[in-house]
Amino acid sequence: DSGVTQTPKHLITATGQRVTLRCSPRSGDLSVYWYQQSLDQGLQFLIQYYNGEERAKGNILERFSAQQFPDLHSELNLSSLELGDSALYFCASSVGPAGVGEQYFGPGTRLTVT
Amino acid sequence: QQQVKQSPQSLIVQKGGISIINCAYENTAFDYFPWYQQFPGKGPALLIAIRPDVSEKKEGRFTISFNKSAKQFSLHIMDSQPGDSATYFCAANSQGGSEKLVFGKGTKLTVNP
Repeated sequence: DSGVTQTPKHLITATGQRVTLRCSPRSGDLSVYWYQQSLDQGLQFLIQYYNGEERAKGNILERFSAQQFPDLHSELNLSSLELGDSALYFCASSVGPAGVGEQYFGPGTRLTVT
Repeated sequence: QQQVKQSPQSLIVQKGGISIINCAYENTAFDYFPWYQQFPGKGPALLIAIRPDVSEKKEGRFTISFNKSAKQFSLHIMDSQPGDSATYFCAANSQGGSEKLVFGKGTKLTVNP
């Protein structure tokens, strides 16, 4: 158990809908990272927050957004969902800001868009 | 642009054998190279990591070998066990910079009993 929690574990929704994925980092970690894992693209970095501020952006679509709250939990919002958005979404956390310190991954949320 | 290239894509090893997974990177600013292990239905778990000031790091049966001049690093799993069957990802980034953690595409390891 990495100490990073993610909810929900599974999510099934229809195209065009909007969903919110939630992540709680390890105790003491200030950075939260979001990744998308699909069979053909591997693990793709989406976005990172450090202590409430956006720190780095990766291959995140404009339909996706995230935020980190004062209690350090983070939410990833996915809107206007398409079939191709079906994937595993992982949250990871680390102690320091961008690039500093080991990243610990949560168990993931499996999103299925039908 | 794939900044970390990982090979092989899949690997089958007999129990007790040595599993070797290779990665090559392009960005010379990278100075942190972790390996992650992922079991089906689980998140990637940090296995071992190395920084370029050493050429080798060993933790139990797992060893990272690092060749800075060749911009390559590899994971060796000695005395491979069926419980090691998982997907392994190498990664790299620049500690202290703003570089994100970049992952290889993964190697699916199967250790036959």
